[in-house]
Amino acid sequence: AQTVTQSQPEMSVQEAETVTLSCTYDTSESDYYLFWYKQPPSRQMILVIRQEAYKQQNATENRFSVNFQKAAKSFSLKISDSQLGDAAMYFCAYRSFGNEKLTFGTGTRLTIIP
Amino acid sequence: SAVISQKPSRDICQRGTSLTIQCQVDSQVTMMFWYRQQPGQSLTLIATANQGSEATYESGFVIDKFPISRPNLTFSTLTVSNMSPEDSSIYLCSFLPGTSAGTSNEQFFGPGTRLTVL
Repeated sequence: AQTVTQSQPEMSVQEAETVTLSCTYDTSESDYYLFWYKQPPSRQMILVIRQEAYKQQNATENRFSVNFQKAAKSFSLKISDSQLGDAAMYFCAYRSFGNEKLTFGTGTRLTIIP
Repeated sequence: SAVISQKPSRDICQRGTSLTIQCQVDSQVTMMFWYRQQPGQSLTLIATANQGSEATYESGFVIDKFPISRPNLTFSTLTVSNMSPEDSSIYLCSFLPGTSAGTSNEQFFGPGTRLTVL
């Protein structure tokens, strides 16, 4: 079974600075998908960014980018120019190719310091 | 994108009672899921709600404790039966649009139901 590990329970960053959230995963599969989800205090989960394992190019969505290292099974999230609205729990998640289930990491609580 | 809602948003229940949580999606979806998020924890999949057949439960979750209905392609319910304080959690429903199994498609989540069992 796949496992997803987020080793940073909490992180904080100064507003307008850059922060990187770590995620590692364990799998024997070669085809899969990785996601970062954000859960603000209001609770509704929303997708931040996604990465297909077959793509070498790192995904980017505006201020959010990932560093995907397939051999190292690492999938970190970089948030540039941090904003107060970025404060939330961030979950890394894994989905196998051909499977609908998401496996979540334990989450990282991100605090933005004004 | 589709809208997904849950009712109730929160409830406080007595030990030994049951609570049914409703999940409504504003478009037809094939795959719906129920998750539990214990306080300060990650999301754990309870079951996949299948339209027209029994739900598929994950290890550690059983139908007698968490019966699920899926009468059509836009609606599902999760019942938490014979509750104990250990059932205090946030329960979230979720769906994948279309036939998105094994893809990078986004999974959408409801706002959650915060359950407290006294």
